[in-house]
Amino acid sequence: RKEVEQDPGPFNVPEGATVAFNCTYSNSASQSFFWYRQDCRKEPKLLMSVYSSGNEDGRFTAQLNRASQYISLLIRDSKLSDSATYLCVVPRVTMKTSYDKVIFGPGTSLSVIP
Amino acid sequence: GAVVSQHPSWVICKSGTSVKIECRSLDFQATTMFWYRQFPKQSLMLMATSNEGSKATYEQGVEKDKFLINHASLTLSTLTVTSAHPEDSSFYICSASRRGPVGEQFFGPGTRLTVL
Repeated sequence: RKEVEQDPGPFNVPEGATVAFNCTYSNSASQSFFWYRQDCRKEPKLLMSVYSSGNEDGRFTAQLNRASQYISLLIRDSKLSDSATYLCVVPRVTMKTSYDKVIFGPGTSLSVIP
Repeated sequence: GAVVSQHPSWVICKSGTSVKIECRSLDFQATTMFWYRQFPKQSLMLMATSNEGSKATYEQGVEKDKFLINHASLTLSTLTVTSAHPEDSSFYICSASRRGPVGEQFFGPGTRLTVL
């Protein structure tokens, strides 16, 4: 099983739609999680951090389910500018060190259509 | 705040030459810097992690003699691709983290390397 897996996509949704992406992780010791967005040929930018059960920022809601080891990202009232690839990021926690690096999921592509 | 610059933004070179890419944190001190590579339509692949003043930790399969990393200060890390070949053509992105939440990284704009 891969350390971080995401819905493969692509997701093509009309403007105004609500869309949700899922991300599963294998390391049950992970404590914090992140969603980044990456526009085509650009660097990733942090969208949301998730430390407890969830986080909400405007139209974006992230939820964490530790028991099932997945994080979801919900986008309400989709805008054209939301079109991007969304990356789920999970720090790798080891036995010897609390953290040595982060693992990026493969990404889920979203296209919002007029 | 938390701006990371990368230079150059793109480079085209002949096979066999070496290319140096600089990554700088402009307004904060980066305890750790990361170097990633991204091929078209693929996700970021971590190449190495570098801490100021110590040797970089390379990921499995990444040749440390080919991808030289120097982290000279808390604001500067360099990646040198030695004897570049066409298969090294890729998008190289650095990121920097400061003392704060684990995993919160600030990315440079990336360097697009094309080896002819």
